[in-house]
Amino acid sequence: GAVVSQHPSWVICKSGTSVKIECRSLDFQATTMFWYRQFPKQSLMLMATSNEGSKATYEQGVEKDKFLINHASLTLSTLTVTSAHPEDSSFYICSAVSSSGNTIYFGEGSWLTVV
Amino acid sequence: GEDVEQSLFLSVREGDSSVINCTYTDSSSTYLYWYKQEPGAGLQLLTYIFSNMDMKQDQRLTVLLNKKDKHLSLRIADTQTGDSAIYFCAESYSSASKIIFGSGTRLSIRP
Repeated sequence: GAVVSQHPSWVICKSGTSVKIECRSLDFQATTMFWYRQFPKQSLMLMATSNEGSKATYEQGVEKDKFLINHASLTLSTLTVTSAHPEDSSFYICSAVSSSGNTIYFGEGSWLTVV
Repeated sequence: GEDVEQSLFLSVREGDSSVINCTYTDSSSTYLYWYKQEPGAGLQLLTYIFSNMDMKQDQRLTVLLNKKDKHLSLRIADTQTGDSAIYFCAESYSSASKIIFGSGTRLSIRP
């Protein structure tokens, strides 16, 4: 079946550095991907909608210069957390929309810890 | 606007039925979902229902939709310890639109 892969699953980075998280659709093309953030014991909050070949659409309150999203191909979207701070530590989950089936598949998430 | 609300906790005895409730505000929601998240893990789509349906049953799961009241419920029959998780109610306008999640209901099972 369709699979969405996120990499890395776990990452620890130092405060002030940047970290990139990949979201890859493995056996389908995805013109649209979504990025969510989930703080411990909280719900998933939509951060942005990533469209292949165009700029991402960010939700209100999400800093586009801090959370850089690049959707350069039909199978890959990346989220880069720039100048990471401890408060950016969270679980980041992506989802991808199948271009043919109009179905959304979620990745397994990436844990980011900023120390 | 879009808002999905759920109670935060539910505790049931093993073998009983669990009923998790959810309300949403967006009347244009077409798809309503129930996701399960186990500790430290990603999301598992349990079931979904279209807004033109009243009920959907899938093995131990029964989803009821009251579109007039914008109320959705998930009933888990014969609740087992493996059902312990957080259950998220969610909605979207279409199958390819962004999905808006509720706060999640933490289901705990007592012996």
